Amino acid sequence: EIVMTQSPATLSVSPGERATLSCRASQTVSTNLAWYQQKPGQPPRLLMYGDSTRTTGLPARFSGSGSGTEFTLTISSLQSEDFAIYHCQQYHIWPWTFGQGTKVEIK
Amino acid sequence: QVQLQESGPGLVKPSQTLSLTCNVSGVSISSDNHYWTWVRQYPGKGLEWIGYIFHAGSSYYNPSLESRVIMSVDRSKNQFSLNLASVTAADTAMYYCAGGHYSSFGDFSPFDYWGKGTLVTVSS
Repeated sequence: EIVMTQSPATLSVSPGERATLSCRASQTVSTNLAWYQQKPGQPPRLLMYGDSTRTTGLPARFSGSGSGTEFTLTISSLQSEDFAIYHCQQYHIWPWTFGQGTKVEIK
Repeated sequence: QVQLQESGPGLVKPSQTLSLTCNVSGVSISSDNHYWTWVRQYPGKGLEWIGYIFHAGSSYYNPSLESRVIMSVDRSKNQFSLNLASVTAADTAMYYCAGGHYSSFGDFSPFDYWGKGTLVTVSS
């Protein structure tokens, strides 16, 4: 199976600052990569997928890039509601697999 | 608005079978444009995909679990279910039902819809 590795495990950022989250796949997943946001006590929420396709209502401050094995999720100016755990997931080959998550916390 | 809701026992004894049901509302489970799936999350936050199923019954399970997993659909109740046999403490997790879109070209989209999750503890 494809192993997804996210870094860093925890990212401490001040509100208004930029956050850059990384996700690496153990083999190519083309652009079949999704990002989810998860807040305490809630299920993951799909943010974006594919060739940076955004889900409805996702603020423009969220952007994604990458293909093959290296991917990045950028939050340009962190708002209070953005502090959460972010998971990447490959949906290129079954079994679909997730990274271990990056926790974005308030600095 | 599509909503999913898990139900089932929160405590299962070792070696027994974990059985969960997901009630779907807002869309027919018989839709050819959707697939239905189960995902679990361990206390350390890692997510593991368990398997998917279509309304007609075709399914695919994670190879790491396929010897113990059976999923099924009840179209009359707009529900789908998960049975995981021979559980151990390692199966203790939050279990989510989820769903996504399936295109006429055979493409799966990621998981658009999620239930709120149900915590299952395996303990005697």
